Order: sequence, then C-alpha cells, then structure tokens
Amino acid sequence: GAGVSQSPSNKVTEKGKDVELRCDPISGHTALYWYRQSLGQGLEFLIYFQGNSAPDKSGLPSDRFSAERTGGSVSTLTIQRTQQEDSAVYLCASSLTGGNTEAFFGQGTRLTVV
Amino acid sequence: GENVEQHPSTLSVQEGDSAVIKCTYSDSASNYFPWYKQELGKGPQLIIDIRSNVGEKKDQRIAVTLNKTAKHFSLHITETQPEDSAVYFCAASTSGTYKYIFGTGTRLKVLA
Repeated sequence: GAGVSQSPSNKVTEKGKDVELRCDPISGHTALYWYRQSLGQGLEFLIYFQGNSAPDKSGLPSDRFSAERTGGSVSTLTIQRTQQEDSAVYLCASSLTGGNTEAFFGQGTRLTVV
Repeated sequence: GENVEQHPSTLSVQEGDSAVIKCTYSDSASNYFPWYKQELGKGPQLIIDIRSNVGEKKDQRIAVTLNKTAKHFSLHITETQPEDSAVYFCAASTSGTYKYIFGTGTRLKVLA
C-alpha cells in the first residue's frame, strides 16, 4: 500500500476484554514500531520489530501487552484484560531498515476502555 | 540515557509571523534528525529531516538548522498560516541503531 495502515481506527471495549490492533506497514520496510500516545501527550515507545523478531520489547507496560509480526509484514498488538488506563491512541510506524531512515506513521487506533 | 528536550511546549504566533521550535539531544553520536507534524486525529507526518553532515536544510517555508557542537537543532516556519497549527515533534537517531528518541512535542497555534 501507499502508507502505513492501521485498523480499526477506533475501538471501544469494555474493561476486562481483550483487544487486537493491526498494523500493515509499507511494503519492504523491515523495521516496525508501536507507540502509545495518551491524550495530549508525547510518543511512548512500546516495541520494535526487525523482520519478525522483536529485539526490544522494553516499552510494553505490562504482561497484558504482547505483539507479534508475521511474514515480516503485518503486526498485531494485543492487550489482554483491558483497563481504563489503556485508553490511548496506539500508533504504528515503519521504516526501511530502522533508525537513521525515515519512519512513516499510520493514522493510529484510538482505544477507549469503558 | 539518550534524551531529547524540546521547547517550548506551546507556542502561539500571529498569522504571517515566524515560529521557532528548539530541541537539544544528549547522544553525540546522533546523526539523523527528523521533524514530524501531527494534526488533530492523525498520525505524525514527516515534514523535514536533516543529517549531521549538513548544517541547514530548507523546504519552502520550513527550515531546520543543526549545531552539532552544541547538540541543538531547530525548526523554523516562516510566514505562518492557520493550517500550520498542529503538534510538532523533533527526534534524534543514530546510524546502526533502531531507536528514534522523540521530544515531548510543541503545540503550535497560528492565530488568524
């Protein structure tokens, strides 16, 4: 595709339910990132993929958060047993090889936990 | 650890005036500095970037300057327009690493 695509664009879920957020990076981009942005705040790093492996998961806030990437392309961020504090915009970005090259962001998934 | 400080956090300017946003980075090995613009309800979009082998880069009304000695880089927007109103993020990155270290963002308001 032309850019990074994320789905859904909006998700409202009940506290305690699991959610899956999807990211389709730009074709050929080996590096993929997930960030979280709370209302009016900056970009909080969650996880980095190079190909299908995740060398850096240090930003995942708890063990309720996990992510995978298959075929070096699509990535899924899963949040189990959602809490209200998980409400935020989840942004995905991809770049050709990683740092030092342009990173392109998707439009984000706005998650609301009620 | 690596850090990027960004100032100011909010900035209001009159339409037609210039706006300047400043960032300071801590890792002297950083050599790639992108700037992103985030409009309401959208993801950040790259607007300009600079590498450490140049001191200034310009693209129409926006320019970025880099002072490697002081570890400062700045975004300059001239002849501001209402559509420039957004949140701007600076970032720093280093060859051979994967990380982008982002600043905390500047909310720019251009008053008509």
